[in-house]
Amino acid sequence: EPEVTQTPSHQVTQMGQEVILRCVPISNHLYFYWYRQILGQKVEFLVSFYNNEISEKSEIFDDQFSVERPDGSNFTLKIRSTKLEDSAMYFCASGGSRYTFGSGTRLTVV
Amino acid sequence: KNEVEQSPQNLTAQEGEFITINCSYSVGISALHWLQQHPGGGIVSLFMLSSGKKKHGRLIATINIQEKHSSLHITASHPRDSAVYICAVSKTSYDKVIFGPGTSLSVIP
Repeated sequence: EPEVTQTPSHQVTQMGQEVILRCVPISNHLYFYWYRQILGQKVEFLVSFYNNEISEKSEIFDDQFSVERPDGSNFTLKIRSTKLEDSAMYFCASGGSRYTFGSGTRLTVV
Repeated sequence: KNEVEQSPQNLTAQEGEFITINCSYSVGISALHWLQQHPGGGIVSLFMLSSGKKKHGRLIATINIQEKHSSLHITASHPRDSAVYICAVSKTSYDKVIFGPGTSLSVIP
């Protein structure tokens, strides 16, 4: 069964550094999403992406965040200047005939 | 008020018990998802339903659209069922998913 794959599974970064989280959605899906889960809290929506543009974003998704689908297969989330409070699990998802989540990237900002 | 509520928040069961987790939501939806999250953190989709009932192995999910309520049942529970079970809804087929707070299930041998 097709999967959404995310890399890396765990990333540790220094505060102020830029990070790029990568996702490969299911190939025939057209809708892509990023979510995050701070430890001990519920999963929160960050952004949805369709037809090469952002279709919706949450209040969390401020100017330090950006998303891109650079080559038709990857879907990336960039955090420009990480803060301690960006430490969380980040999930990618894609939607088409069904909704599928990736296994997540645990980001630790130190 | 949260758009998706779950009960109970935590649940401990003996192996073999029948388990029910409840979900209620306050928005109009086109789909309701039941998801499983293990301690490692990854999210696995168990069910997506918009009406009626679905069954997969020992898991059964039901939804009552009029009452805005869904239940997830686990028959003959097993320690490997221990996980967080999350109810989530989407207003349209391709809309973002709104997550509930999760129910932490522990099944004791």
